[in-house]
Amino acid sequence: EDQVTQSPEALRLQEGESSSLNCSYTVSGLRGLFWYRQDPGKGPEFLFTLYSAGEEKEKERLKATLTKKESFLHITAPKPEDSATYLCAVQATGTYKYIFGTGTRLKVLA
Amino acid sequence: KAGVTQTPRYLIKTRGQQVTLSCSPISGHRSVSWYQQTPGQGLQFLFEYFSETQRNKGNFPGRFSGRQFSNSRSEMNVSTLELGDSALYLCASSPAPGSYGYTFGSGTRLTVV
Repeated sequence: EDQVTQSPEALRLQEGESSSLNCSYTVSGLRGLFWYRQDPGKGPEFLFTLYSAGEEKEKERLKATLTKKESFLHITAPKPEDSATYLCAVQATGTYKYIFGTGTRLKVLA
Repeated sequence: KAGVTQTPRYLIKTRGQQVTLSCSPISGHRSVSWYQQTPGQGLQFLFEYFSETQRNKGNFPGRFSGRQFSNSRSEMNVSTLELGDSALYLCASSPAPGSYGYTFGSGTRLTVV
């Protein structure tokens, strides 16, 4: 069964303290892996798509990487405005539906 | 450029009633998907529409249904509401089915009492 597991469930960082979020996935064939950010009371906001192992994408303080079994979202020198829930999703070959993980709640303290 | 618009934002219904939620995708986007988000289960896929046709359906009972109109707007309907249907219902659009990042709306918060 296709599955996505994110860890940790919650993470508290001091401003400037870099860290990584993990997304482990099991899928019959990977069409794409997606990262989203969700703020309270809002819908998820698209961040990145990764398609193949070894691929990396960057946006400001965020960098996403992909291996054959997992993806990491690295946050470098985070700021309080980076506080949000980060969601990972996979899209399996043969379908266009997304399977989401339950997310990592990130809190960055000033 | 207008985003994905979902109406209403909040809704309170009684068990046994039915509800219809609306979604207007980004102009030019023809694929619309619906997700249910709850604290325990996260985002669960409901269904996807493209060119007025349902292309994928998640593992939800038949009480959950949807449709898409010729202008790409979509509605989802839940009949015979149960307490467990209380959730944030999110609509997402993309240009077409494929490996595009979704653009999500802000959702409709449904509370069943």
